[in-house]
Amino acid sequence: ETGVTQTPRHLVMGMTNKKSLKCEQHLGHNAMYWYKQSAKKPLELMFVYNFKEQTENNSVPSRFSPECPNSSHLFLHLHTLQPEDSALYLCASSQGTPSGETQYFGPGTRLLVL
Amino acid sequence: KQEVTQIPAALSVPEGENLVLNCSFTDSAIYNLQWFRQDPGKGLTSLLLIQSSQREQTSGRLNASLDKSSGRSTLYIAASQPGDSATYLCAVFAAALPWLNSGGSNYKLTFGKGTLLTVNP
Repeated sequence: ETGVTQTPRHLVMGMTNKKSLKCEQHLGHNAMYWYKQSAKKPLELMFVYNFKEQTENNSVPSRFSPECPNSSHLFLHLHTLQPEDSALYLCASSQGTPSGETQYFGPGTRLLVL
Repeated sequence: KQEVTQIPAALSVPEGENLVLNCSFTDSAIYNLQWFRQDPGKGLTSLLLIQSSQREQTSGRLNASLDKSSGRSTLYIAASQPGDSATYLCAVFAAALPWLNSGGSNYKLTFGKGTLLTVNP
């Protein structure tokens, strides 16, 4: 399997649930990203990891907790979310940062918080 | 704070037409600009990347131009096809905190809201 994969593709959760989103890249890249895409809004960068180290946290609430165990895997742990957190969560990877090289995106996880 | 605006928000054209999508950004201190395509319910696919020192890039029927000084970019699609129907996103790569020393962090892509293109057969 090639490219960037994300699981699950769809997720419905209550505000008291705990769930995790998974991203895996098969491109040998060193940098991975989480983005949030809400309806009628531009994509928003949430977190950046470079060589497994978090280099950016774009003022994201603590109910979102990222984890990067290695350069190929990225998780987003979710707990006590709010309905306004419903969105498409996209993972991306690139060879390095901040060189500005092309980022390769996964298909996203469509999250609905009830 | 960098802001990216895309006009129009939506565009519907008949097959075969040439069309132009517009993107503008507020801070001209960018490293590069990218155009992405997003199909419904899917992730983004990079179409073209223009470095700040370049004026344009071409790939097949697509041509993207960059005028950094005026903060503008256009994506030209020639001989449009129904398969071109998608949302087209413009993004600029720049320092998130430009006054910091460029020590290798705090750079990010800032996206526009996109243009929803429909090409009718």
